[in-house]
Amino acid sequence: DAGVIQSPRHEVTEMGQEVTLRCKPISGHNSLFWYRQTMMRGLELLIYFNNNVPIDDSGMPEDRFSAKMPNASFSTLKIQPSEPRDSAVYFCASSLISDRGFYEQYFGPGTRLTVT
Amino acid sequence: GIQVEQSPPDLILQEGANSTLRCNFSDSVNNLQWFHQNPWGQLINLFYIPSGTKQNGRLSATTVATERYSLLYISSSQTTDSGVYFCAVESLTGANNLFFGTGTRLTVIP
Repeated sequence: DAGVIQSPRHEVTEMGQEVTLRCKPISGHNSLFWYRQTMMRGLELLIYFNNNVPIDDSGMPEDRFSAKMPNASFSTLKIQPSEPRDSAVYFCASSLISDRGFYEQYFGPGTRLTVT
Repeated sequence: GIQVEQSPPDLILQEGANSTLRCNFSDSVNNLQWFHQNPWGQLINLFYIPSGTKQNGRLSATTVATERYSLLYISSSQTTDSGVYFCAVESLTGANNLFFGTGTRLTVIP
């Protein structure tokens, strides 16, 4: 399996621009997670989907952030408008959920976002 | 949410030495994972270990769920073991997502 695929790997943009990050989860996984990693806050969950439905978006910083999962093999995280404080590494992860919780989560390589 | 504490925060080892990394958590857990974040930023799965003991080569891990801690053992360390080791847990009673500790930064010197 190719693992979790993210694109782009690096993104540099100017403040105010729209940014779209993409993720393809591992085939057969039914849950997808978006995380953000910064020096100040470490790794934190932004949102997760189960069977393409958003379950918990309490970690989304503000209305400038939105995420979609139109089908089981694709998700996007959009920031509009972007701000310098959004600079971070954004990870996507996928997993399989059972009635007792999640099995092992697998992470993509991340997208390093720099907003100038 | 659940609190996850890792110790030590930083560790410097001579190549060939052994080490133990600790992860304490504040609530009962459904899921516990250990990750290695390499110098290129990739998060590599090491263990999925909500309880018990597992071994994989020079690495092993033990989780004592009743006492709310997990240990990661690295034996005969190599320079390629350098990076940050994260413990992450899914609370049994809380939301279904992983909460990460702040990590242990390991540097192995030749």
